[in-house]
Amino acid sequence: EAGVTQSPTHLIKTRGQQATLRCSPISGHTSVYWYQQALGLGLQFLLWYDEGEERNRGNFPPRFSGRQFPNYSSELNVNALELEDSALYLCASSKGTVYGYTFGSGTRLTVV
Amino acid sequence: GDSVTQMEGPVTLSEEAFLTINCTYTATGYPSLFWYVQYPGEGLQLLLKATKADDKGSNKGFEATYRKETTSFHLEKGSVQVSDSAVYFCALFYVGNNDMRFGAGTRLTVKP
Repeated sequence: EAGVTQSPTHLIKTRGQQATLRCSPISGHTSVYWYQQALGLGLQFLLWYDEGEERNRGNFPPRFSGRQFPNYSSELNVNALELEDSALYLCASSKGTVYGYTFGSGTRLTVV
Repeated sequence: GDSVTQMEGPVTLSEEAFLTINCTYTATGYPSLFWYVQYPGEGLQLLLKATKADDKGSNKGFEATYRKETTSFHLEKGSVQVSDSAVYFCALFYVGNNDMRFGAGTRLTVKP
């Protein structure tokens, strides 16, 4: 069974630009979660998508947005990048939270 | 809201030492509890879980027991190895918003 895949692995952008991060969940998983992990800090919840709909979002500004496609893959978009957006962005999928989440390896976004 | 609190790190142990990482939780109702591990440069991996009181999760020599009376889910291992060096996250499933709440993480370094 293929795991959760994220692309790209690394992304370098200039302040003010836009970044697009992609995630493919495990086959059969309909929920996708996005987390931000800044250096030295814990995980901050960003977004939850299920069945193509945004179900919940964390305490992040509107320039963090995303969507889920009919095949359940997902995109995270970050507009007007700021230096403090530099972080590891983790995607996870689940078929039900009692089973836990399965995480991808993350996209390391660096804003210069 | 529901939350988890982990012991602060970093924790440094010698190989074959006994490991305990404390985790306590605050929750309404009966959450599911999880331990995740993050090896350097990787995403999070589910280590073990427990879905109800008195359940014991175990994997790779690690154990944790869901203690309702002390609202705890402490992670233990009898003899750590250098390869166990990683960051460990305690987490609970937050029913209110259907998302996983993570502790701040505890960095473990095991020296030969």
